[in-house]
Amino acid sequence: DIQMTQSPSSLSASVGDRVTITCRASQSISSYLNWYQQKPGKAPKLLIYAASSLQSGVPSRFSGSGSGTDFTLTISSLQPEDFATYYCQQSYSTRLFTFGPGTKVDIK
Amino acid sequence: QVQLVESGGGVVQPGRSLRLSCAASGFTFSSYGMHWVRQAPGKGLEWVAVIWYDGSNKYYADSVKGRFTISRDNSKNTLYLQMNSLRAEDTAVYYCAREVITIFGVAVHAFDIWGQGTMVTVSS
Repeated sequence: DIQMTQSPSSLSASVGDRVTITCRASQSISSYLNWYQQKPGKAPKLLIYAASSLQSGVPSRFSGSGSGTDFTLTISSLQPEDFATYYCQQSYSTRLFTFGPGTKVDIK
Repeated sequence: QVQLVESGGGVVQPGRSLRLSCAASGFTFSSYGMHWVRQAPGKGLEWVAVIWYDGSNKYYADSVKGRFTISRDNSKNTLYLQMNSLRAEDTAVYYCAREVITIFGVAVHAFDIWGQGTMVTVSS
């Protein structure tokens, strides 16, 4: 099974900060990596698919990069509505999808 | 309006059964693979199961294999999750999600539409 890790598990940042979250897969997953944002009490929302493609309607301050085993999600200038938990997900194994443990972004 | 609406959650005793439903609208349900994802209180997301667009293939997380069954009725635009032999650790919000296989020709297998979730509590 493919295991996903994320770092950090949480971070505190200020509005306007540049934020980077890292996701690592236990084996190569090519670019089959998606990022989701989840706010408290709400369903997750797809932000980035195929490692670096922005989902329709998602602000351009979000970007993704990486391939193989190492991936990053970057928020170029953190906005108040971006405080949330972010999850990576591998879709290389379509018989057993896996999410990372999540990274909580809160206000400094 | 593309929408998924879950129902069927509630409080159930350990060892008992429960069936969740997910009603789809606003898109051609029979063209999409569908998933169940759960989230225990205060915890992260855990993928539970997938069923292909035509019901021909189903796969499960090890934690639910042999106890949960995913199914669908394309004539009713509805996804189901039959949960048997429930345990305390199955307590979670259960989300259904639509899988998009390609976006602009790129293979993605991402979950682009989610329901609002339904809470399942397993407790005596």
